[in-house]
Amino acid sequence: DGGITQSPKYLFRKEGQNVTLSCEQNLNHDAMYWYRQDPGQGLRLIYYSQIVNDFQKGDIAEGYSVSREKKESFPLTVTSAQKNPTAFYLCASSADRRQETQYFGPGTRLLVL
Amino acid sequence: GENVEQHPSTLSVQEGDSAVIKCTYSDSASNYFPWYKQELGKRPQLIIDIRSNVGEKKDQRIAVTLNKTAKHFSLHITETQPEDSAVYFCAASTGRRALTFGSGTRLQVQP
Repeated sequence: DGGITQSPKYLFRKEGQNVTLSCEQNLNHDAMYWYRQDPGQGLRLIYYSQIVNDFQKGDIAEGYSVSREKKESFPLTVTSAQKNPTAFYLCASSADRRQETQYFGPGTRLLVL
Repeated sequence: GENVEQHPSTLSVQEGDSAVIKCTYSDSASNYFPWYKQELGKRPQLIIDIRSNVGEKKDQRIAVTLNKTAKHFSLHITETQPEDSAVYFCAASTGRRALTFGSGTRLQVQP
């Protein structure tokens, strides 16, 4: 999991603002994922991508958007349509499309001003 | 879709005792079951996993058991130590979609 990086570590969003969270991996993994974690709760899937230029919605995709233009990168945009964005955002990757063993990045904590 | 339930939500044990965390899943097609440990403010780390063709797997003080008929799997930690204190998550996957996680168990090991 040391090969997955996320930036920034902390991010502040103003009302009506879109913000983008970065996720990069150098593990040559095909699949990448975004999860949201609220205090004291589990991980909920936002979006996932099995291959470059393809991605699918997870359980809570509303108010979020992603792109997968490069194998190494899977940025997440939190749009102004997401009314309660304060959470810990975790990116993960897995070696293949079977989407089994996932390795997580260090996370980005998003706070609303 | 898959649903994973995890119990208990909190667990407190004395150092040296054993801890058991249980999960049930709904999709009988699930065939991969990992367990993650997450320390406060850190990323989840894979600690052990099991596939559906295996009933039990051990790694030092940690073991996982799987009952496919009942659709449940459990994490067993023996000889607990204070550094085992963390939140533990189970997950399940059919291989066609991303992992579905349980809600987590906060384990506290009292010295």
